[in-house]
Amino acid sequence: SQQGEEDPQALSIQEGENATMNCSYKTSINNLQWYRQNSGRGLVHLILIRSNEREKHSGRLRVTLDTSKKSSSLLITASRAADTASYFCATDARGQGAQKLVFGQGTRLTINP
Amino acid sequence: DAGITQSPRHKVTETGTPVTLRCHQTENHRYMYWYRQDPGHGLRLIHYSYGVKDTDKGEVSDGYSVSRSKTEDFLLTLESATSSQTSVYFCAIRTGLNTEAFFGQGTRLTVV
Repeated sequence: SQQGEEDPQALSIQEGENATMNCSYKTSINNLQWYRQNSGRGLVHLILIRSNEREKHSGRLRVTLDTSKKSSSLLITASRAADTASYFCATDARGQGAQKLVFGQGTRLTINP
Repeated sequence: DAGITQSPRHKVTETGTPVTLRCHQTENHRYMYWYRQDPGHGLRLIHYSYGVKDTDKGEVSDGYSVSRSKTEDFLLTLESATSSQTSVYFCAIRTGLNTEAFFGQGTRLTVV
């Protein structure tokens, strides 16, 4: 089974609103990453947060990590139509399987103009 | 874009035929990955490589084999394609553990 699971599976909001996506995982991790995928394209890395970090910012993106709950959230502030895409979390596990990069099922975000 | 190229970009093949997908990188990255993407399943790891001739299985490796004889090339082979292997296949590379991955543009494979 997959390491990361995103919630919700789909999210539709109005332009200018904030979008929050959540990711839960199962095993101990070294880091958690978020990626974006535009329709029909490859994934693009957004941000990486290490297991000893609790929050990280990059432009309009804010990522939090709660290792005690094995969960992370991605917040996109002041959304734009161009943010419409699928967003995936991925984890680098600790210990056995550390070389794998395992993805969740993704959240499909639609920004309505 | 990172120097990663997948070929072919599209392929239609018949059930039972062998198929090889190629991932080529110009970045000299150590790690290479093959994923498949299907609706409702996100990206699932098929196989990965951590060096020349060093490969290991992912979560959905049945029916697939890989080879990496050179740093720059990672081949994914479907020995006898089945309709359940119709999917979009993505290759990814990265320099090491705990680093970001760079993805190719994907190969859309249809098995009829």
